[in-house]
Parts: sequence; C-alpha cells; structure tokens
Amino acid sequence: SQQGEEDPQALSIQEGENATMNCSYKTSINNLQWYRQNSGRGLVHLILIRSNEREKHSGRLRVTLDTSKKSSSLLITASRAADTASYFCATDYLASGNTPLVFGKGTRLSVIA
Amino acid sequence: SQTIHQWPATLVQPVGSPLSLECTVEGTSNPNLYWYRQAAGRGLQLLFYSVGIGQISSEVPQNLSASRPQDRQFILSSKKLLLSDSGFYLCAWGTGRSEQFFGPGTRLTVL
Repeated sequence: SQQGEEDPQALSIQEGENATMNCSYKTSINNLQWYRQNSGRGLVHLILIRSNEREKHSGRLRVTLDTSKKSSSLLITASRAADTASYFCATDYLASGNTPLVFGKGTRLSVIA
Repeated sequence: SQTIHQWPATLVQPVGSPLSLECTVEGTSNPNLYWYRQAAGRGLQLLFYSVGIGQISSEVPQNLSASRPQDRQFILSSKKLLLSDSGFYLCAWGTGRSEQFFGPGTRLTVL
C-alpha cells in the first residue's frame, strides 16, 4: 500500500503548548499535503509542500519534509482549543496522469483549555 | 468562488435498499472529482475518481458505482446496500496535482 502513516494516532496537549504530528510515506512524491477535519465535517486543506522544498510556514503551522527519510512533520505552535481536530497527511506520489492523493489514517489532536 | 455541495447530509437506509448520493461543484470547469469513504475514526478510502464526463476510475471493487453525467456532477450509487456500506462519504474536487476541496459529507447508516 502507498498509504502514508501519521504518528501519533492520538495526541492530547494543553492549550498554549506546541503539537507535532509526523507522517511517513513509502514512494517518491511530487508533493505532500496536510488537511484538517473537524468531527463530522469535510476535510480542509492546510498546506502543501513540494518535493523540492524542505520547510514551509503558514501562520502557526510549520511543515517540514525530508525526502531522504520519506517523512514530514506538522507543527502547530501555541495551540488553541479550536485546533482540536483530526489531521491527515496526503501524498501525491510520482506517476503520470491525474494521480489521486493517498491519505493517511490521521492524528486526532485534542487541545485542552 | 468555488463551492461543493453534497446531499443528503445524513441518511438511514435498510440493508438491500438502493443508494444515490449526489455531489455538485460550482465555480470551476472540468474538475477532477473524487468519492471517499471514511469509517468511524479512520482515514479516507478512495472509492472512485473522475477526470471528465463519463470517465470513472474505481479504486476498490465493491457493490458501489459512480457516474458523472455532467461536468460538475458526481453521483455515488448502489443497487443493494450492505451493512458494511455504513460510513461517512465525502466528495472532493481538485485540479491536477494541487489540493483537493471537500464537501460537507454524507453520514450513511445501513440498518
């Protein structure tokens, strides 16, 4: 399976702390994306990092990509209760055509106020 | 701006009954369209994707089918639902290799 794997499966932190989630994948990629899903809702795209990029920032989000280790991390700084959600990585692996994204199983983040 | 609609939001159906879930996209042309299923507390399983009208690729063999009768309409169907078809169904659209945009989802319970 080409599926990415997030680690940890679940994470519980206090408000104000940083949250770090990791994603590992198996094959060469064009890009890797992170999505957020609030309970019972659709996924929302957070950030996309291309295979030739190593780090990307968006507000309180910081994403890193290590293609040699086939891994990525998502850091949420100064977490808030509203950050409570599931976070998924998705890989666009190298292939021709309109290759669908492959989603991992997600990390459930709980931020306690 | 682009929007994506799914309906119904929730659905309870008996085993053996038919299914039709609809997804429509506004504000974009010739999008790639996707159907995913998400079991409780799990990741997304890609069911079908379409790169154009009448073009459907199936990722997982099952009793579900998909159709794309119009450019911005994607329908997920079943002739006879199974208990295992219960889940959260998500429709998404995208272009090329960029991000995907998801609808609000349909919660299907098969009893």
